[in-house]
Amino acid sequence: EAQVTQNPRYLITVTGKKLTVTCSQNMNHEYMSWYRQDPGLGLRQIYYSMNVEVTDKGDVPEGYKVSRKEKRNFPLILESPSPNQTSLYFCASSPMGRGPETQYFGPGTRLLVL
Amino acid sequence: AQSVTQPDIHITVSEGASLELRCNYSYGATPYLFWYVQSPGQGLQLLLKYFSGDTLVQGIKGFEAEFKRSQSSFNLRKPSVHWSDAAEYFCAVGALGGGADGLTFGKGTHLIIQP
Repeated sequence: EAQVTQNPRYLITVTGKKLTVTCSQNMNHEYMSWYRQDPGLGLRQIYYSMNVEVTDKGDVPEGYKVSRKEKRNFPLILESPSPNQTSLYFCASSPMGRGPETQYFGPGTRLLVL
Repeated sequence: AQSVTQPDIHITVSEGASLELRCNYSYGATPYLFWYVQSPGQGLQLLLKYFSGDTLVQGIKGFEAEFKRSQSSFNLRKPSVHWSDAAEYFCAVGALGGGADGLTFGKGTHLIIQP
């Protein structure tokens, strides 16, 4: 089944403790992206990647890092989480074509930073 | 910069009644428009999309949307809602280039279905 998976689905951590949220897709998509969803703000893009070793900042990159060493994986790294990073995080992927493509979303990771 | 406005934060509709969710966009070129639905505790599911061609697009679950360039709108409609349609609905605009700029989302409309 074609899908985007994220782990963990739920995470409670404390301020300053480094964490990684994994994202994996099995559709051979070039493009991958991370969003955060906050009440009243909708979804905002954190980082995106157009292919292996190619990443770029989205609208709200502060406090986050990403890497793209393999095509299928796009982990989101919080080096020193803070309470304002408490949010619902979505990973998405899509093929890279000559035009816009539909993005496929993972199930989400709900993060609470105490 | 592209932007999306969903003017209604909450909408309450009786089961069996018709539904229209509003979406207005701002984009400098031809917009590529999407509607996603998020059920409670779930991820986002694509309902429908508009890239070009017929301005009335059909989606899953009986939804449709109409692209009106003159009004910069892409409103979502359903003739008769079901209780299972209660969810958060997001309109989004995408950029040319294979999604390199990602999607810009509206803030969402929370749909409540009354029995």
